[in-house]
Amino acid sequence: DTEVTQTPKHLVMGMTNKKSLKCEQHMGHRAMYWYKQKAKKPPELMFVYSYEKLSINESVPSRFSPECPNSSLLNLHLHALQPEDSALYLCASSQEKSSYNSPLHFGNGTRLTVT
Amino acid sequence: AQSVAQPEDQVNVAEGNPLTVKCTYSVSGNPYLFWYVQYPNRGLQFLLKYITGDNLVKGSYGFEAEFNKSQTSFHLKKPSALVSDSALYFCAVRDINTGNQFYFGTGTSLTVIP
Repeated sequence: DTEVTQTPKHLVMGMTNKKSLKCEQHMGHRAMYWYKQKAKKPPELMFVYSYEKLSINESVPSRFSPECPNSSLLNLHLHALQPEDSALYLCASSQEKSSYNSPLHFGNGTRLTVT
Repeated sequence: AQSVAQPEDQVNVAEGNPLTVKCTYSVSGNPYLFWYVQYPNRGLQFLLKYITGDNLVKGSYGFEAEFNKSQTSFHLKKPSALVSDSALYFCAVRDINTGNQFYFGTGTSLTVIP
């Protein structure tokens, strides 16, 4: 079982909907990440938060909006998505962004389908 | 920039036989290398890492990896494959020069045949 919890597990939304993905970890990690993964492809980095501040935005379209309310929670707000945004969205955490020997711990993801 | 390559998209092995999943890396400076496994409809699970020290790294579920500096490789191995090892495997490198980002290989789908 993963120590990073993501909800919901599945989400179907229309292109005009607004929804949010949620991620929670209680390992005391100070770095949290959002990745997007297409089938049988490697994860693609979207955002990195370090000590609750956004430190990396990999040129992600503004229809994806991250939020880190506290050190344990990470949200991804979705609005006006396109069908090509359908994917598995993975949350991950690590001890600190600067800790080079700390692995990423992933949640099981949210399977998003945009109709 | 740092990168890893996984030359095989698919590896098939018979149950009970040894398995190898290949990874080569390209880094400037010291390599920080990781292996992850992904089962269907699940996130990535950390298997093992090489930071420094012994070239043979032991990890979860009986997996190990051999770091070879001269060949710039970090192959994942297991002495006796199980059907339950069938999954997608990713090699990754951590780039300390660009904010400690992880860069993943393209993945290798392992099928263990009963």
